[in-house]
Amino acid sequence: AQSVAQPEDQVNVAEGNPLTVKCTYSVSGNPYLFWYVQYPNRGLQFLLKYITGDNLVKGSYGFEAEFNKSQTSFHLKKPSALVSDSALYFCAHMDTGRRALTFGSGTRLQVQP
Amino acid sequence: DAGVTQSPTHLIKTRGQQVTLRCSPKSGHDTVSWYQQALGQGPQFIFQYYEEEERQRGNFPDRFSGHQFPNYSSELNVNALLLGDSALYLCASSSQAGTAGEQFFGPGTRLTVL
Repeated sequence: AQSVAQPEDQVNVAEGNPLTVKCTYSVSGNPYLFWYVQYPNRGLQFLLKYITGDNLVKGSYGFEAEFNKSQTSFHLKKPSALVSDSALYFCAHMDTGRRALTFGSGTRLQVQP
Repeated sequence: DAGVTQSPTHLIKTRGQQVTLRCSPKSGHDTVSWYQQALGQGPQFIFQYYEEEERQRGNFPDRFSGHQFPNYSSELNVNALLLGDSALYLCASSSQAGTAGEQFFGPGTRLTVL
């Protein structure tokens, strides 16, 4: 079965420091990978996607993600964290045949002032 | 652009009852997908509607059914509610045109089953 995994339930980082939220995938064929963010009592907001092309993908709010085929990873990164980045982050894979997303379990990012 | 809207925001039901949740997609989108997000978990795909038909379905029982209207809005119906159906139900809209792209999510409906 195709899946994505987020090995960390929570990531803590100080404001101004770089942040990384990890995601690994197990997908046959070419992976279509996404990152979404969820704020309290809100739906999911799209951050970025990788379909093909450059391994470094730039997205919304200063986030970027690095696709690494040899390590089957798609880690989310930001050079300088903000307190307002504190939220729940989901990595997801899209089954292009079904056009349905399979989500990881989520990682809670806590940015301390 | 109003984005994806869902109603109601919150809902409380008792076991055995039936519930209907509603979703209006983002302007220009023709496809609606429904997801269930249990507390502390990632969303799980329920089903997807396009051209008023269920096109794809996840691993959910027949108690979960849906409908899409000519204006692309959609309903999710759950019959014979169980305690385990308590969750945030998310609607996502997208367009069939072009390659697979991001889905735009609504704010969700929080369903509590007592």
